[in-house]
Amino acid sequence: QTVVTQEPSLTVSPGGTVTLTCASSTGAVTSGYYPNWFQQKPGQAPRTLIYSTSNKHSWTPARFSGSLLGGKAALTLSGVQPEDEAEYYCLLYYGGAWVFGGGTKLTVL
Amino acid sequence: QLQLQESGPGLVKPSETLSLTCTVSGGSISSSDYYWGWIRQPPGKGLEWIGSIYYSGSTYYNPSLKSRVTISVDTSKNQVSLNLSSVTAADTAIYYCARDRKVPRIVFDIWGQGTMVTVSS
Repeated sequence: QTVVTQEPSLTVSPGGTVTLTCASSTGAVTSGYYPNWFQQKPGQAPRTLIYSTSNKHSWTPARFSGSLLGGKAALTLSGVQPEDEAEYYCLLYYGGAWVFGGGTKLTVL
Repeated sequence: QLQLQESGPGLVKPSETLSLTCTVSGGSISSSDYYWGWIRQPPGKGLEWIGSIYYSGSTYYNPSLKSRVTISVDTSKNQVSLNLSSVTAADTAIYYCARDRKVPRIVFDIWGQGTMVTVSS
């Protein structure tokens, strides 16, 4: 069974920079996995931030960026704002199936 | 503006079949540009993709749920349906439907608000 692994939790100070990663149990994550990143706040449906590794939606704040880093998909937040405190999920494609990571709880403190 | 709305029973008995409907408004479900997916989230836990369907009826499912899942589309009603059979307490979750764009590959860019389903006798 394929497992997608994220950091369970991270803490960052306001104005700081933090990188969340997304690893695959099958090996290095490449663009062929179409990495996606979602943000979810309590009581809300998830909201997509990044698609196909690094592409932003019109509503994605400029401080969010996606990349591939050391064999993993990565989501970097630069100049973190208090409203960025949320759960973040990555999503990878495995040839006909999508698998979510377990999520990273980001605390802004 | 495209909107998705999930509906269905909030309580299902163990061993029975969970049936939900996602109604799409503000756009056609028959567009060749999109798939339509179901995702669930147990209370306090992470997201799990259940499966997706194309307007033609072509489906692909999570292998771990495939034996129990059926997703169908009714283009006349602009609806996508989810059936999950032989449910247990582990199937208790918020169930979301979401749009999945084929090209460019933009996955789950629009979500419904979700509907909570509890499996209990």
